[in-house]
Amino acid sequence: AQSVTQPDIHITVSEGASLELRCNYSYGATPYLFWYVQSPGQGLQLLLKYFSGDTLVQGIKGFEAEFKRSQSSFNLRKPSVHWSDAAEYFCAVGILTGGGNKLTFGTGTQLKVEL
Amino acid sequence: EPEVTQTPSHQVTQMGQEVILRCVPISNHLYFYWYRQILGQKVEFLVSFYNNEISEKSEIFDDQFSVERPDGSNFTLKIRSTKLEDSAMYFCASSVRRGGASTTDTQYFGPGTRLTVL
Repeated sequence: AQSVTQPDIHITVSEGASLELRCNYSYGATPYLFWYVQSPGQGLQLLLKYFSGDTLVQGIKGFEAEFKRSQSSFNLRKPSVHWSDAAEYFCAVGILTGGGNKLTFGTGTQLKVEL
Repeated sequence: EPEVTQTPSHQVTQMGQEVILRCVPISNHLYFYWYRQILGQKVEFLVSFYNNEISEKSEIFDDQFSVERPDGSNFTLKIRSTKLEDSAMYFCASSVRRGGASTTDTQYFGPGTRLTVL
């Protein structure tokens, strides 16, 4: 069965510093990969996704992620973090089913930004 | 920009009561989903729905749960007899298509309904 691992539960970075959030997946075929962000009391907002093609994908808010098949990873990066980036970040793998695209999420990484 | 909406934002109920959580997916979307997130845990898939029938459901989605698209706009999740362990945030999501390389296949999530069972 597919699974997603986000090894870092909490990360704290200073504003302006670079950020990398780790995500490893387990899935037998080529995965559809996603990063979502959840601010307190809010729903899940899509940051970026990988379906195929270029392994470096750009998203909203200055985020990017790189798909590395050899490492089964899809790490999220941002060169300079802003205080408003403080939120919880979820990596997910999408599995095609008969009538939908079921997402399996990781446990999330809580990002704290120090001013 | 169109968005998925959910009502109510917070529902408090007594154990054993029935609750209905409502969602209005994005209007041209064809695939609908429910997920839940127990406090402090990860988001879990419950069910997917297409063409007026369930496409897939997880082991969490037992006989106490049901989904319906009663009209052309609403998508509902009913819990027949709530248990304490049903307390969670419930997210509705929708997508145009089920998956693939197209940018139209993304699942868009609503803000969630926080269900508290006492």
